[in-house]
Amino acid sequence: GENVEQHPSTLSVQEGDSAVIKCTYSDSASNYFPWYKQELGKRPQLIIDIRSNVGEKKDQRIAVTLNKTAKHFSLHITETQPEDSAVYFCAAKPGGWGKLQFGAGTQVVVTP
Amino acid sequence: EAGVVQSPRYKIIEKKQPVAFWCNPISGHNTLYWYRQNLGQGPELLIRYENEEAVDDSQLPKDRFSAERLKGVDSTLKIQPAELGDSAVYLCASSLGGQGAGETQYFGPGTRLLVL
Repeated sequence: GENVEQHPSTLSVQEGDSAVIKCTYSDSASNYFPWYKQELGKRPQLIIDIRSNVGEKKDQRIAVTLNKTAKHFSLHITETQPEDSAVYFCAAKPGGWGKLQFGAGTQVVVTP
Repeated sequence: EAGVVQSPRYKIIEKKQPVAFWCNPISGHNTLYWYRQNLGQGPELLIRYENEEAVDDSQLPKDRFSAERLKGVDSTLKIQPAELGDSAVYLCASSLGGQGAGETQYFGPGTRLLVL
């Protein structure tokens, strides 16, 4: 089955700087890659997703890139703000009936 | 539009006791998922329903866990008897189903279970 590795496990950035989280996946059949943000004690919330027919997608301060050949995808947050502090999870899903496999998460701390 | 609803939000029980969690998915979502999230880890799928049919329960510990989705809407996840290692957050999610936008999963707030 699919295996997703996520790095780093913790990330501390100064407000206004950029944050980058990287994930690799093992199943070449994976074609859907969502990113979730989870604040302490709350539900995971989808912040952006990308499909394998697209190399990059942006939504305001967040962007995701996908390299199918290398089987890795990354989340980029620019101009970080204290409210960006949370745990971020990447995930990968093969097409068809495949299940969504999550990474272990990255704790992002944005310091003012 | 209401999101995924779960209850209870918190549950504390002693080991060997039974416990049940309830989930109401987003209206019109055919696919329902139960995940377990251990502290400091990502969610792990326990079971997925397509309407009322369980189509992937390979990760469900069937000796003590059971689930049902009667009428293809609400779902209940049960543990009997609970063990100390079952302490976790149990998340329910739903999606429209199918490919494309139908793959997007929306999560409920979870039930935080503590087994003493």
